[in-house]
Amino acid sequence: DAKTTQPNSMESNEEEPVHLPCNHSTISGTDYIHWYRQLPSQGPEYVIHGLTSNVNNRMASLAIAEDRKSSTLILHRATLRDAAVYYCILTANDYKLSFGAGTTVTVRA
Amino acid sequence: EAGVAQSPRYKIIEKRQSVAFWCNPISGHATLYWYQQILGQGPKLLIQFQNNGVVDDSQLPKDRFSAERLKGVDSTLKIQPAKLEDSAVYLCASSPARGRTYNEQFFGPGTRLTVL
Repeated sequence: DAKTTQPNSMESNEEEPVHLPCNHSTISGTDYIHWYRQLPSQGPEYVIHGLTSNVNNRMASLAIAEDRKSSTLILHRATLRDAAVYYCILTANDYKLSFGAGTTVTVRA
Repeated sequence: EAGVAQSPRYKIIEKRQSVAFWCNPISGHATLYWYQQILGQGPKLLIQFQNNGVVDDSQLPKDRFSAERLKGVDSTLKIQPAKLEDSAVYLCASSPARGRTYNEQFFGPGTRLTVL
């Protein structure tokens, strides 16, 4: 499985943007980039996914580098509810998830 | 739409005892997953079902863990006998059938198991 590298933790202030980086230098041409997050004491939840183009949805934006070796999850205005562990995951088209340790995001009020 | 249901939410047992967890996926979801999440780590896939058939159980410790999904709907994960290292949160997830545009996984709240 292609691997991803994420910072262990990041801090942000409420109502400011958060940029979460993810490195995946061994990504193959058909691998999808997924982001899930896990709020305290809950199961993970889907955030966004993409293949080559940048993606936007109501939760976040995903910016994918042109060579696809890195990507950035952007939370446009962090709220206290966005405090969670964020996982960047690569999958083939079977969408089978292999979670790493993720990035723990702390949001300061 | 109701989410993935799991029970119990918490379970405390002694080592060498048996335990079972139950999962009811979102209605109509053909694929069901069981994950194990040890404290401080990301979830690890134990087994994946497609309807009532096993797609992937390569990381399931088959000497003590078993899982079934007899009617292709709800599922049970069993540990027999439990070891101290089985202490973890057991997560169930479901997703629509393969062949759809995207197979987003929907997770339940998990069952926290403590083995003493």
